[in-house]
Order: sequence, then structure tokens, then C-alpha cells
Amino acid sequence: AQTVTQSQPEMSVQEAETVTLSCTYDTSESDYYLFWYKQPPSRQMILVIRQEAYKQQNATENRFSVNFQKAAKSFSLKISDSQLGDAAMYFCAYRSLKAAGNKLTFGGGTRVLVKP
Amino acid sequence: EPEVTQTPSHQVTQMGQEVILRCVPISNHLYFYWYRQILGQKVEFLVSFYNNEISEKSEIFDDQFSVERPDGSNFTLKIRSTKLEDSAMYFCASREVYLGGNTIYFGEGSWLTVV
Repeated sequence: AQTVTQSQPEMSVQEAETVTLSCTYDTSESDYYLFWYKQPPSRQMILVIRQEAYKQQNATENRFSVNFQKAAKSFSLKISDSQLGDAAMYFCAYRSLKAAGNKLTFGGGTRVLVKP
Repeated sequence: EPEVTQTPSHQVTQMGQEVILRCVPISNHLYFYWYRQILGQKVEFLVSFYNNEISEKSEIFDDQFSVERPDGSNFTLKIRSTKLEDSAMYFCASREVYLGGNTIYFGEGSWLTVV
């Protein structure tokens, strides 16, 4: 079974600065998807960014970018020019392409605090 | 932008009572999911549903849980006899069926409190 590990329970960043959240995963598969979801205090799960494992190029969405290291099974999220609205829990998630339901497996989350 | 909608947003129920949580997935999506998140913990997979049957379920999804697509738009999660430990946020999610349907979209959640 796949596992996803986020080793940083909490990260603090100054407004306008950059913060990087780490995520590692364990899988024997070669094709899969990786995601970062944001969960603000409202507790809604909001997709931040996704990465297809077959793509070598790292995904980017505005101020959010990832560093995908397939061999190392690492998938970190970088938030640039941090804003107060970025304060939230961030979950890394893995999705297999082989399992029948293609469910998401989540990491334990990293809380991001943004200091003004 | 299309979204997954869930009702109720918050429900308080007595232990032992039956609860039904409702979801309207995105209209062209055919894969549906329920996840739950106990306060302060990670999001956990409960069940996936496709073509009117369960595709996969977790160990959490025991006999007290059931899912149903009663009509063409709703997807429900029923908890037959609620326990205190069922208190959690329950998320419905959906995605497209085609091979590139790689993103699972979540609703805003239904917060269940069992007292």
C-alpha cells in the first residue's frame, strides 16, 4: 500500500517570503499522480497543484511550484511571495492509476503560518 | 466553475441514530468518493463508487456504512447507528472517468457531531 509522509507538522513564513513544504511517498508503481491540497480554516479541500509522474517538468501554478524527484520519491511544494491568505493546512496526496477506485492517499499535513 | 455540493454542512445527532449525508457531484463526473477527517487528523479514504457499485472501500467502511446513488444526481453516505467516534468532517469528492481524469474535486464537507 502506498504511504505519504509529511515530516513538517508546522512551518512559519514571513509575508512575501518563500516557504517549502516537504513530502515523500512510498510506491512500487511507475505511473501515478501527486497533488497538493490546501485546507483553510473553513476546512474545504482546495486543489493547489498536481503533477503527473510521467512528466519530468515540474508543475507550476502562479506562486506555487513543485520539485518532483521521482527517483527519490519526493514531492515538495514551494510557495513564493507568501500571502496572509496562504495560511492553511497543506496536504500532499498520491493517486494510483492502477487501483480500482484510484483513491487519494493523504499525508498527515503541514500547517503553514504566515506572519505579517 | 462546477463544484461538488454537500448537505448538510453541519449535523448534530444522538449516538445510535441513523445519519444520511448527501452530495451532488460535478455533473459529468462518474467516479465518486467519500473521505472523512477526524478533527486534527489526516484525511482518510472511506469508499469509491462507480457504475452503481463500490469500487474500493477501506477498513473504516464497515457494515454500519453504506453508499447509494438514488437518482441521477445525488450520492449519499448512510451511517446506520452512529458512534461517538464517527464525529468527523465527511468529504464527498468526484472525478471524470476518462484516463486523464486525474483530479479529484472535493465538496466543502459535512461536519458530523455525535453526542
